[in-house]
Amino acid sequence: RKEVEQDPGPFNVPEGATVAFNCTYSNSASQSFFWYRQDCRKEPKLLMSVYSSGNEDGRFTAQLNRASQYISLLIRDSKLSDSATYLCVVVQNSAGGTSYGKLTFGQGTILTVHP
Amino acid sequence: NAGVMQNPRHLVRRRGQEARLRCSPMKGHSHVYWYRQLPEEGLKFMVYLQKENIIDESGMPKERFSAEFPKEGPSILRIQQVVRGDSAAYFCASSPQHLSGYTFGSGTRLTVV
Repeated sequence: RKEVEQDPGPFNVPEGATVAFNCTYSNSASQSFFWYRQDCRKEPKLLMSVYSSGNEDGRFTAQLNRASQYISLLIRDSKLSDSATYLCVVVQNSAGGTSYGKLTFGQGTILTVHP
Repeated sequence: NAGVMQNPRHLVRRRGQEARLRCSPMKGHSHVYWYRQLPEEGLKFMVYLQKENIIDESGMPKERFSAEFPKEGPSILRIQQVVRGDSAAYFCASSPQHLSGYTFGSGTRLTVV
């Protein structure tokens, strides 16, 4: 089983649609969770962190369910500029118990928003 | 304040040659990470370095790959005797401490012909 698994996609939605991405992770010791965005042939960029209480940033809402080891991202009112690959990212503590930044990425879900 | 600088942006090597990829972290960042993204795949962690130390190289292939982050100068990812399967995008990231301010460079796209 992969450490981080995402919806295979691709998602093709019209402008204004609401779209949801799901992600599961296998290591219950995972401590930090993020959604990144990657545009074609460019570097990944942090979209938002994911907290147990859920968090929202404008049109984007992220949720974490530690019991189910499940993370989600909801995008409301999709824009053409939202077209990208969305990467679910998990950070596990090292053996020493610190979280030093080794990111584990899901394969990514491609989103295309069309007019 | 320049971001994470990687060079070259594109690198073409013939099979059997050596590839050297450079990464200059953001000013004030002492932690450097290398990731590889094979075509149509997600990013995979390779190695984590601090100045003059390799902290975690669990993602590095056992042969032909090495990394360093000297006291002075950029971090270098070195691939000896490249093969076609090494063709990928190699991304470097840096952070000041742990996860805060984690920033990726634009990547080096290596093509082995």
